[in-house]
Amino acid sequence: QKEVEQNSGPLSVPEGAIASLNCTYSDRGSQSFFWYRQYSGKSPELIMSIYSNGDKEDGRFTAQLNKASQYVSLLIRDSQPSDSATYLCAVNIPSNDYKLSFGAGTTVTVRA
Amino acid sequence: DAGITQSPRHKVTETGTPVTLRCHQTENHRYMYWYRQDPGHGLRLIHYSYGVKDTDKGEVSDGYSVSRSKTEDFLLTLESATSSQTSVYFCAISESMAGGHNEQFFGPGTRLTVL
Repeated sequence: QKEVEQNSGPLSVPEGAIASLNCTYSDRGSQSFFWYRQYSGKSPELIMSIYSNGDKEDGRFTAQLNKASQYVSLLIRDSQPSDSATYLCAVNIPSNDYKLSFGAGTTVTVRA
Repeated sequence: DAGITQSPRHKVTETGTPVTLRCHQTENHRYMYWYRQDPGHGLRLIHYSYGVKDTDKGEVSDGYSVSRSKTEDFLLTLESATSSQTSVYFCAISESMAGGHNEQFFGPGTRLTVL
């Protein structure tokens, strides 16, 4: 089982809709969760960090964490063509605080 | 890119030659990382540093070495480049590990092609 798994995508949503991205992780001891956005040919950009169960909102982005079910999700409200990118989920590795485990990413395309 | 530069940005080299990639940061962050990103494999950690002269291996360290003689610079060396090391290499930095809050910020990347 991979440490971090994301819905495979690609995910195509119409402009103005909600894009929902899911990520599950295998180590119940993980405490820190991150979402990165990566445009094609560019480097990953940190867009959300979440450490506590529940929702965390930042602009049009909402991260949701459920440690009991071992999943973290990212909602993009009012999706814009500029949101078209690959989104990477990352989770800390409890046995080594220096390391993060990254999912393979979900590619989102927002249709105008 | 959070005050992180990588050089060179693009490099083409031949099998068997040594290659050194440089990561430079102006944030004075303690922790630095080298990743490679390949289709189908995502981001994989090569080596990381938790202080000057303090480094450790990641999951794909074979064929790579690193050095960190100053806080701001982290060098990745491919001792004898192979075609399997053709990849995009990203450097990342983070400030703190407190509570596992390891927010990492990435440099612009180096695209390396080994012929």
